Amino acid sequence: QVELQESGPGLVKTSETLSLTCNVSGVSFGKNFWNWIRQSPGKGLEWIGCVYSDGSTIYNPSLKSRVDISLDASKNHFSLKLNSVTAADSAKYYCARDSGEGGAVEALDFWGRGSLVTVSS
Amino acid sequence: YELTQPPSVSVSPGQTVSVTCSGDKVGEKAVSWYQQKPGQSPLLVIYRDYRRPSGIPERFSGSNSGHTATLTIRGTQSTDEADYYCLVWHSAWVFGGGTRLTVL
Repeated sequence: QVELQESGPGLVKTSETLSLTCNVSGVSFGKNFWNWIRQSPGKGLEWIGCVYSDGSTIYNPSLKSRVDISLDASKNHFSLKLNSVTAADSAKYYCARDSGEGGAVEALDFWGRGSLVTVSS
Repeated sequence: YELTQPPSVSVSPGQTVSVTCSGDKVGEKAVSWYQQKPGQSPLLVIYRDYRRPSGIPERFSGSNSGHTATLTIRGTQSTDEADYYCLVWHSAWVFGGGTRLTVL
C-alpha cells in the first residue's frame, strides 16, 4: 500500500534552515504532485507547496521566498527546505500525495504521519 | 482566496449535520474535505465536491454550488467527532480554517 513517512530534525535553531524528507513507498512518483503541509499546535492546516514528478514546483505565496521543494525519484523521496526560520515556523509538517494525474490537481489522498519541528534559539 | 468555515458545530448521535465552506464562486471549483482526529493525520473523506474515496462510509456526502460547499454527515456517530477542513485549488491549495464537530 501507499505509505509516506516524514523524517528530519525535531529541533531547528532560529534563523537556520529547516530540512525534511518524505520517503514514499508502494507507489512511483508517476505524474502526480507531491505536497508539504504544516499545522501549528492547536491551529489549522497550511499548505506550503508542491513538486511535480518532473521537478517543477508551486509554492504558497506567503512562504515562497523561503521555501525550496525538490524530488529525487531514484531515492523515492521528496524534500522540503525552509530557510530563515522563526518560532512561528514551529509546527507538525506533513507530506501528502495529490491524487490528480497528468499534471492535474485533485485532492490529497495519502498523507504521512507528520514530523514535529520546534524552532528555538 | 479565502475559505470560511464555522469554528464549531455540534450534533446529537444519529442526527444529520452539515459543515459549510464559503468562498467566492467556490461552486466553480472542485472541493475536497478532510477529517482530522486528535493526534492523527488528515483523512480525505470527499473529493471533487461529492465523490467518496473507497472505505469512506456512505453517510458522508458533499455538495457545492454558488458560494458555498457543504459536507453532510447523516446518522452521525461518535467516531465522526473530529476537525473538518475544506480545500480548493486557486493557483495554490487553500484550506478552510477548519470546523470542530462535536457529537453530544
